[in-house]
Amino acid sequence: NAGVTQTPKFQVLKTGQSMTLQCAQDMNHNSMYWYRQDPGMGLRLIYYSASEGTTDKGEVPNGYNVSRLNKREFSLRLESAAPSQTSVYFCASSEFPGGGNQPQHFGDGTRLSIL
Amino acid sequence: AQTVTQSQPEMSVQEAETVTLSCTYDTSENNYYLFWYKQPPSRQMILVIRQEAYKQQNATENRFSVNFQKAAKSFSLKISDSQLGDTAMYFCAFILRTGNQFYFGTGTSLTVIP
Repeated sequence: NAGVTQTPKFQVLKTGQSMTLQCAQDMNHNSMYWYRQDPGMGLRLIYYSASEGTTDKGEVPNGYNVSRLNKREFSLRLESAAPSQTSVYFCASSEFPGGGNQPQHFGDGTRLSIL
Repeated sequence: AQTVTQSQPEMSVQEAETVTLSCTYDTSENNYYLFWYKQPPSRQMILVIRQEAYKQQNATENRFSVNFQKAAKSFSLKISDSQLGDTAMYFCAFILRTGNQFYFGTGTSLTVIP
């Protein structure tokens, strides 16, 4: 059972570089999410996709773009990386739009450092 | 707006003892779901327990139980017979029944002392 798979697990970028974080889930979930986790701030939602073909901004969307490529895949792109985007990024999925009583399933995270 | 507050950044407990982690939330809605997640040093996010707001009975999963006080908007997690493997960051989370977003607290770092 792969669940939610994120790639890469670690990445170091220079300021101004771009990159895409990949996320795929094999649970046939409708909803997918991208969070960033910073010390003392918990998990903050960047973007989410309630269902295939839709994306919406979360709490901290600035500097990021997303693509819901298909039902399985939801990518997060940093167009011009900044040191403030140094963080651990988590992708998650849940069965229904709105979640209901279904929990989110998380990937293992990507540790991203911007120099 | 929905918010989740965990007022204890760090806690510790002796092995085999009981510890309670606090969580409060704020919403004007009546139908929602609450969760506790555990994040060990491996960084994985693991669901510990869930509670439906319309259920008065507190949820229990083995050594983990909650004290859900809807009027007070409080959702605390009790860990009984603490084990070394319980050492982790614990996050309280909330979602409206009709919502699309989960809201997380800032976490409580729990250390179980041998």
